[in-house]
Amino acid sequence: SQKIEQNSEALNIQEGKTATLTCNYTNYSPAYLQWYRQDPGRGPVFLLLIRENEKEKRKERLKVTFDTTLKQSLFHITASQPADSATYLCALTNTGNQFYFGTGTSLTVIP
Amino acid sequence: DVKVTQSSRYLVKRTGEKVFLECVQDMDHENMFWYRQDPGLGLRLIYFSYDVKMKEKGDIPEGYSVSREKKERFSLILESASTNQTSMYLCASSPYMGAYNEQFFGPGTRLTVL
Repeated sequence: SQKIEQNSEALNIQEGKTATLTCNYTNYSPAYLQWYRQDPGRGPVFLLLIRENEKEKRKERLKVTFDTTLKQSLFHITASQPADSATYLCALTNTGNQFYFGTGTSLTVIP
Repeated sequence: DVKVTQSSRYLVKRTGEKVFLECVQDMDHENMFWYRQDPGLGLRLIYFSYDVKMKEKGDIPEGYSVSREKKERFSLILESASTNQTSMYLCASSPYMGAYNEQFFGPGTRLTVL
């Protein structure tokens, strides 16, 4: 069955630095990969989608890469701010409507 | 803004009780989903529905059933609650068929089964 792994440890970085989160997957060939943000006690909120034929996608301070050979996506937050502190989830989808979510990486940006 | 609402933020039930979790979306979305979220396991799909009265099993449907009588409303039913169903339950919706659609989540219901 498909397996999705995100940074197993929580990530702490200094304000202003670039945070890099990883999403690795096996036994799956996703057509799309999505990233979500989840704050404590709330549902996830969609951030970005990248297609399998796209190498990179940007939105303001966010950048996502998708390497189907390595079976990996990297999620970067540049010039990080304390307000970026949250849990970030990656989700893989193929045809149909089923999404497969990773367990998430907890990011803390230290002022 | 799309709004997905869930009937309760917190719920405490006893083993063996029948539990209803309600979800309503206000954007005429075709698809609705129920997930549970547990530490270390992430979000796991219980059921989804792509149309009124239609439903598909997700990865962990055992012990659960669903109902979608109206397009905007998707209910999750725990027929006989058990302690291993203590979890955070998240409802989501997406506009139409297609894996490129983002999902819009509700705030979640934290269910404790004693």
